[in-house]
Amino acid sequence: EAGVAQSPRYKIIEKRQSVAFWCNPISGHATLYWYQQILGQGPKLLIQFQNNGVVDDSQLPKDRFSAERLKGVDSTLKIQPAKLEDSAVYLCASSFGQSPDTQYFGPGTRLTVL
Amino acid sequence: GENVEQHPSTLSVQEGDSAVIKCTYSDSASNYFPWYKQELGKRPQLIIDIRSNVGEKKDQRIAVTLNKTAKHFSLHITETQPEDSAVYFCAASGTYKYIFGTGTRLKVLA
Repeated sequence: EAGVAQSPRYKIIEKRQSVAFWCNPISGHATLYWYQQILGQGPKLLIQFQNNGVVDDSQLPKDRFSAERLKGVDSTLKIQPAKLEDSAVYLCASSFGQSPDTQYFGPGTRLTVL
Repeated sequence: GENVEQHPSTLSVQEGDSAVIKCTYSDSASNYFPWYKQELGKRPQLIIDIRSNVGEKKDQRIAVTLNKTAKHFSLHITETQPEDSAVYFCAASGTYKYIFGTGTRLKVLA
């Protein structure tokens, strides 16, 4: 089966600019996660969707980050405006059901904010 | 809040030796404990997982043990090989949230 797809793979922007990331989960997976992974650290959950509803966004900096999953399949994560500390890899993952369930990760988008 | 502590942060072993990585979790509702391997520049890949109704699980050279009373679980890799070199993350999951440990960088020296 095809894995989780993400694009772009790399993005370089200047601070205060905006950026958007896209994720396509594994077909049939109801749950989608966005993680931020700063170099040398473990993934930190930003937001979790169950179909097109938000299950958990407690660690999403809502003043600058937003995410949507309108049709319960693809998802986009947006940062506006970006800060230097947003430099990280943004990982998308999906699972068939809700946690606890095995998550499968996409390749990630490496964001560099200058 | 809930957290997962992982030790050690770095681990170097000689090829053929065993490696053990330990994690402690705080949320007593956690009932699923996966381990991920992440090679440099690549996505985390699930290598083994265990649920709370099981105390130990083994898959070839990899095993995971769980002590629910003490709230800790461990990854054991036997007969390590150079390709085992990577960062390993544990995670604990309860009702709906995954919490990852901070990672262990394993180096297998040839």
